[in-house]
Amino acid sequence: EVQLVESGGGLVQPGGSLRLSCVGSGFAVSTTYLTWFRQAPGKGLEWVSAISSRGRTDYADSAKGRFSISRDNSNNTMFLQMNSLRVEDTAVYFCARRRGPAYFDYWGQGTLVTVSS
Amino acid sequence: AIQMTQSPSSLSASVGDRVTITCRASQDIRKDLGWYQQKPGKAPILVIYAASSLQNGVPSRISGSGSGTDFTLTIDNLQPEDFATYFCLQDYSYPWTFGQGTKVEVK
Repeated sequence: EVQLVESGGGLVQPGGSLRLSCVGSGFAVSTTYLTWFRQAPGKGLEWVSAISSRGRTDYADSAKGRFSISRDNSNNTMFLQMNSLRVEDTAVYFCARRRGPAYFDYWGQGTLVTVSS
Repeated sequence: AIQMTQSPSSLSASVGDRVTITCRASQDIRKDLGWYQQKPGKAPILVIYAASSLQNGVPSRISGSGSGTDFTLTIDNLQPEDFATYFCLQDYSYPWTFGQGTKVEVK
C-alpha cells in the first residue's frame, strides 16, 4: 500500500530553520516525482517545491533562496529544508506523489509549521 | 504565473442536487488540471485528473470536463459525503497554482 508520512513540523522563531521529512512506503522515492504543498490556517493550498524523478528541483517564488528540497533514496525519504523562516510560512505542509499531469494521487497527512516569536 | 479563477467560492445544496464548480485558467493549460476534495483537518483527495479522468475509487456521480482555459467539476445526485471544499490545480507550468476553493455546504 502506498503511503506518505510527514514529520518535522513544530514551533520555530522567525529567522529559524526546520527540516521536514516525508517517508514513502509502497513505492520508490528515487523514481517518483514528489512535491510539497502548504496550507496556511483557514486558507487555500499553495505549491511550495517539487523534485522530479531525475532530480530536477523547482520552487515557488516564496521559497526560492530559503527552502531546499532533496531526497534520500536509501531511506525512501524526501526532505524540505526551510531556513530564514517567516511568520507567513506558518502552515500545514503536505507532501504528495505526482504520477502524471495534474495527477497527485497520494498525499501525506500533513505536518504543522508555526513560525512565531 | 498562471492564475486559476475558481467559482463560486461557496454554495449551498441539498442531498440529491446537481452541483457545478468552474475553474478558469489565465492561459491555455491543455488538460493539465486536477480536482481535489478536502475535508476539515484532512489532506486533499484527488477526484479528477487530466481534466476529465475519474480517479480510482471515486464515485461516477463526480465528473470533470474542459480543456484549454475553462474547466468544470460536476457532482450529480449530491451525497452527504460530498460536502467538502473542492480545489482545482494546474501543473501545466511552474509555479503550479490552485483555484481559491469552493466550499459545498448543506442548505
